[in-house]
Amino acid sequence: GAGVSQSPSNKVTEKGKDVELRCDPISGHTALYWYRQRLGQGLEFLIYFQGNSAPDKSGLPSDRFSAERTGESVSTLTIQRTQQEDSAVYLCASSPQLALEQYFGPGTRLTVT
Amino acid sequence: DQQVKQNSPSLSVQEGRISILNCDYTNSMFDYFLWYKKYPAEGPTFLISISSIKDKNEDGRFTVFLNKSAKHLSLHIVPSQPGDSAVYFCAATPGNAGNMLTFGGGTRLMVKP
Repeated sequence: GAGVSQSPSNKVTEKGKDVELRCDPISGHTALYWYRQRLGQGLEFLIYFQGNSAPDKSGLPSDRFSAERTGESVSTLTIQRTQQEDSAVYLCASSPQLALEQYFGPGTRLTVT
Repeated sequence: DQQVKQNSPSLSVQEGRISILNCDYTNSMFDYFLWYKKYPAEGPTFLISISSIKDKNEDGRFTVFLNKSAKHLSLHIVPSQPGDSAVYFCAATPGNAGNMLTFGGGTRLMVKP
């Protein structure tokens, strides 16, 4: 079946602008995660959604970052007033309930100029 | 404070030989460990995992070893193939489904023909 998809694949924005990144998880996966990967570094957890429970926002680096998820489907990650340090690849992952393995999308490469 | 560390940023191996990638962790709450492989411009792909109740898990050419007392795990690939050239990330989680993964910084493996 279809994997996790993300859009756009690349986004270049000017410092101070808002951006919205989209994730479509694998159908039936109840858990959805956002991570980011800065150049040359490992993946850094941002936020986690599980069904209708309150999201775990403990990884969000500042209040400029927010995310929403509609039921058990699409999620959007919004970064307001982007800064150059926000430049990274933003990765979305999903997993079935009670599973530990996460399945990743191809990522959105965000460049803030 | 990096809870998962991959101390070798890169590794070069001849085709047909064994590749050994290492990973160390500090958080004793970690109970489940995963290895992901990442090609450029793609999301990480799940490779193999191990629970802390085991010390070895094998899947074809890939074997993961866990030394819980040393808080160390390793991924062995044998025989190595040129298609194995990628960045390998180890990740850890407390083992409750729905916990975010904590990733190491990755090791770039190059398998030379």
